[in-house]
Amino acid sequence: DGGITQSPKYLFRKEGQNVTLSCEQNLNHDAMYWYRQDPGQGLRLIYYSQIVNDFQKGDIAEGYSVSREKKESFPLTVTSAQKNPTAFYLCASSLGGGRWNNEQFFGPGTRLTVL
Amino acid sequence: RKEVEQDPGPFNVPEGATVAFNCTYSNSASQSFFWYRQDCRKEPKLLMSVYSSGNEDGRFTAQLNRASQYISLLIRDSKLSDSATYLCVGTNFGNEKLTFGTGTRLTIIP
Repeated sequence: DGGITQSPKYLFRKEGQNVTLSCEQNLNHDAMYWYRQDPGQGLRLIYYSQIVNDFQKGDIAEGYSVSREKKESFPLTVTSAQKNPTAFYLCASSLGGGRWNNEQFFGPGTRLTVL
Repeated sequence: RKEVEQDPGPFNVPEGATVAFNCTYSNSASQSFFWYRQDCRKEPKLLMSVYSSGNEDGRFTAQLNRASQYISLLIRDSKLSDSATYLCVGTNFGNEKLTFGTGTRLTIIP
């Protein structure tokens, strides 16, 4: 089945620890994205990547890092520098390339809770 | 002003009724628009894409008014299963990024 997978579904972390969220897609999409969603707020873009080995900061990149070594994978690291990391993290992918039909498809999300 | 603005609701609508949401956008360079549906504690799922003046899919109709910079979503003969949050989404120039509204919460009442 084609799709986007994220793991784990729930993640608990102690303050001061770094944690890496996994995102994998087998849709052959060029572009991948990371968002966070907080209650009562829309999705906010953290990082995005239009092609392998390239990525750009989104609107709220501080305290996060990413890599794009493979087309299928776009892991997100939440570092200890992120002041308020508890949130619902969503990964998405799209055909990319600035196409007009650039719909994004989402993985099931990871809920991160900092204890 | 937010790039994409939606009435947060909630909209409480009886089953079988017609309901309409509006969404305004500020970036006149936005080329494409989308409506996503998000169920509680789930990921957003694409409902409709809007590239020209509008789109229709069964009970759902989306319309785009570029002159007034708004997009609407109409749901006819609403079902209990339509209860969800509906996200209005626009693209930036170049279609690299999406900008999400905060969503409109809809509850269909039996």
